[in-house]
Order: sequence, then C-alpha cells, then structure tokens
Amino acid sequence: QAHLVQSEAEVKKPGASVKVSCRASGYSFPNYGISWVRLAPGQGLEWVGWVSAYNRNTYYAQKFQGRVTMTTDTSTSTAYMELGSLRSDDTAVYYCARDGLVVPAALDYWGQGTLVTVSS
Amino acid sequence: EIVLTQSPGTLSLSPGERATLSCRASQSFSSSYLAWYQQKPDQAPRLLIHGASSRATGIPDRFSGSGSGTDFTLTISRLEPEDFAVYYCHQYGSSRGTFGQGTKVEIK
Repeated sequence: QAHLVQSEAEVKKPGASVKVSCRASGYSFPNYGISWVRLAPGQGLEWVGWVSAYNRNTYYAQKFQGRVTMTTDTSTSTAYMELGSLRSDDTAVYYCARDGLVVPAALDYWGQGTLVTVSS
Repeated sequence: EIVLTQSPGTLSLSPGERATLSCRASQSFSSSYLAWYQQKPDQAPRLLIHGASSRATGIPDRFSGSGSGTDFTLTISRLEPEDFAVYYCHQYGSSRGTFGQGTKVEIK
C-alpha cells in the first residue's frame, strides 16, 4: 500500500520561497512520478506540475512556469516542490500525489496536504 | 491548455437519489485520460474513476463514469450519506493536467 507523507505547515512572507517535501513508502519510488496539486481557500483543485522520479523530467502548469521547481531524491524516496516569489494568493493546501512514470496519469495515492500561508 | 467545465456547481439531493455530474472539455482528448475524484473537508482527494469509466480499487459500484470526446459524466446511482462531498474531473491526456472547478453534492 503506497503512502505519502508531507512536511509540516509553513508561514511565509510575500516574496519568499517555500519548499515542501513528500516522502513515499510502500512502492517502488523510481517507477512512478509525483504530481503536485493545490487547493486554495474557496477554490477548486489546481494542478501545479509533475515530476518523474525515474529521470526527473518535469511539466509545470503555465501559470507557475519560472516560479516552481520540482525535484526528486530516489535515495530517500522523497519529492520536493519549491515555489518562489510567493504572493498572498499562493496561500493554499499543497498536495503531492503518485502519478505516471513517463507522462501524467490518474492520481491514485495522495499525501495528507501541507498548508502554506503567505502573509506579511 | 484543456479547460474543464463542470456542471452544475451545486447539486442538492436526498440520500437514495441519483446524482448526475457533468464535465465538459474545451477540446477533445482521449477518454483514456479522464479521472474523477471525491473530496471531503480537510481530507485529501480520493480517486474514484480513471480512464473515464474504470472504477479505482475499492470504489463501490454505485459510482460509474462514462463519456468520450469532450463530454463526460459521473453518476452516483443511489446516494449514501457518505457521498455528500465535492467532486472534480481531471484530464491527464496532455502533458499538463487540468481539473474542473468542482461540483458540490449537498444534502437537500
């Protein structure tokens, strides 16, 4: 049974960066990708991007291009999402989810979510 | 980017009734790459349907998905109390996935 555990909540000031981690267990980490999805207050789910744990290829949603970096560390089965130039509207719960190896796929296992609050 | 539009925004129904949720795409894509999720407050989303019509592991058969091209439907045949939640469609046919804005199924 796959299990994804995310890092704790963060509070950041506008303009800062945040790095959220997602540690995987219960499956072969290099055989899948990881997608990041966020849920802002009063909004719906929003796809942020995808990273392959095999070859570290990435796809990012257009609106986050240049501000987001997704990486993986196969030695610790951990994925990371770093979001920079934070604004108040980046306040959201960020989820990692298990995804396809080569291209995005249906998201079958999810982390518990990490609340990122951007406030001065 | 493929835009997904869900309707209605809110569905008010009673337990035992049938729920029909719609998801329309701005352009056609393979039905193999359409999923549905359920999300309850303070919980992570749960995968219900993938490939437009295949139930995920452990999902009751009262949940069914259908559709192709640009029009997709999630049907809950008889609502149970635990089914009242927000439902999202998700396309992963392009290299950049997108979600619909969600349909809230609430108790009437």
